[in-house]
Amino acid sequence: ILNVEQSPQSLHVQEGDSTNFTCSFPSSNFYALHWYRWETAKSPEALFVMTLNGDEKKKGRISATLNTKEGYSYLYIKGSQPEDSATYLCAFANDYKLSFGAGTTVTVRA
Amino acid sequence: DVKVTQSSRYLVKRTGEKVFLECVQDMDHENMFWYRQDPGLGLRLIYFSYDVKMKEKGDIPEGYSVSREKKERFSLILESASTNQTSMYLCASSLTGGGSPLHFGNGTRLTVT
Repeated sequence: ILNVEQSPQSLHVQEGDSTNFTCSFPSSNFYALHWYRWETAKSPEALFVMTLNGDEKKKGRISATLNTKEGYSYLYIKGSQPEDSATYLCAFANDYKLSFGAGTTVTVRA
Repeated sequence: DVKVTQSSRYLVKRTGEKVFLECVQDMDHENMFWYRQDPGLGLRLIYFSYDVKMKEKGDIPEGYSVSREKKERFSLILESASTNQTSMYLCASSLTGGGSPLHFGNGTRLTVT
């Protein structure tokens, strides 16, 4: 079982503030790193798939960076809004198989 | 948009019953996956399939089997349900290999009593 760790497990952020959190993964046999957003009562939704060291991706106020050599990725939320409240999952892809972290649950307080 | 449909949203079964969870995708995706989600443990891979009639064990295959007779359908089978299989089960599909995003179904919350 591949060890994919996310920290922190949960965080609270004030509306309008920015935040970030981490995903660490094995640095060997890397194929891709995925980020998903999972809102309550919905199914997980893909945010980013990153494959190259140094990749940076952006979707609105959410962005992610990737360091495959040291085995970590950051997800950033700029100017948090209540609709950003969700659990954010990262997944390490080793060919076909994706191994997920336990997630970071973000709660945005108005 | 890709649609991944799981046959039941909620299911209650008795210990020892044989349980079938069905998943259908409508976008001709090669890969299909079954995960279970438990609090604090994230999504854990049970089985996946990269082609019709092909299957690979994930991280926690014990007590489960799968069937993929058609490209669009991937079934998870609990041969003899046990209480420790009470969980949320998520099916997903992806176009090709690990570089393609997963598209998830809405999940089946299974309770085994």
